[in-house]
Amino acid sequence: SYELTQPPSVSVSPGQTASITCSGNKLGDKYANWYQQRPGQSPVLVIYQDIKRPSGIPERFSGSNSGNTATLTISGTQAMDEADYYCQAWDSNTAVFGTGTKVTVL
Amino acid sequence: QVHLVQSGAEVKKPGASVKVSCKASGYTLIDYDMHWVRQAPGQGLEWMGCIKHNSGGTKYAQKFQGSVTMTRDTSISTAYMELSSLRSDDTAVYYCAREDTVRTFDYWGQGTLVTVSS
Repeated sequence: SYELTQPPSVSVSPGQTASITCSGNKLGDKYANWYQQRPGQSPVLVIYQDIKRPSGIPERFSGSNSGNTATLTISGTQAMDEADYYCQAWDSNTAVFGTGTKVTVL
Repeated sequence: QVHLVQSGAEVKKPGASVKVSCKASGYTLIDYDMHWVRQAPGQGLEWMGCIKHNSGGTKYAQKFQGSVTMTRDTSISTAYMELSSLRSDDTAVYYCAREDTVRTFDYWGQGTLVTVSS
């Protein structure tokens, strides 16, 4: 079955840039979506189709996807961005989530 | 405005079944596929399957084939997920999530905690 692998954790200082990777076989041939999940809350879509931001998501969130790796970048990270982040893609009409990355804003 | 409101927490014994509901408002249930995703304590998101918007047909993750049943009642705009033969490792928060036209999960329910314990 298809797998998406993320680093377990990323630490970033306020105002700096956080990059979260998501690796999967030929992931660049698929669309990658990203979800933010704050503690005790339901996931929220922050990036879809690799690079697009839903309405209401701040511009500091951006994405890319090429080869075997998709990347979520948070520029000018704020304390409120501290959360778990999951990538997601489709494989044979099956939704696959990444292993998740905890972003800590120090 | 779209809302997905799920039923309340459940405590079940091993071997029992649980049925979680997800009431949709702000849109027509049959216009979008409805998915179910679960999250064990301290763990990641796990896709379970979906019920297709037009046909009402279902697609389940291989892991849950034979143990999960997803249904809907369009008259009350409610989707259901029933999981049978519960084990302790089925303890998790279960979410319903709407799939939108660009294949993302744009709206999620608030989650339902199912605890399996003897």
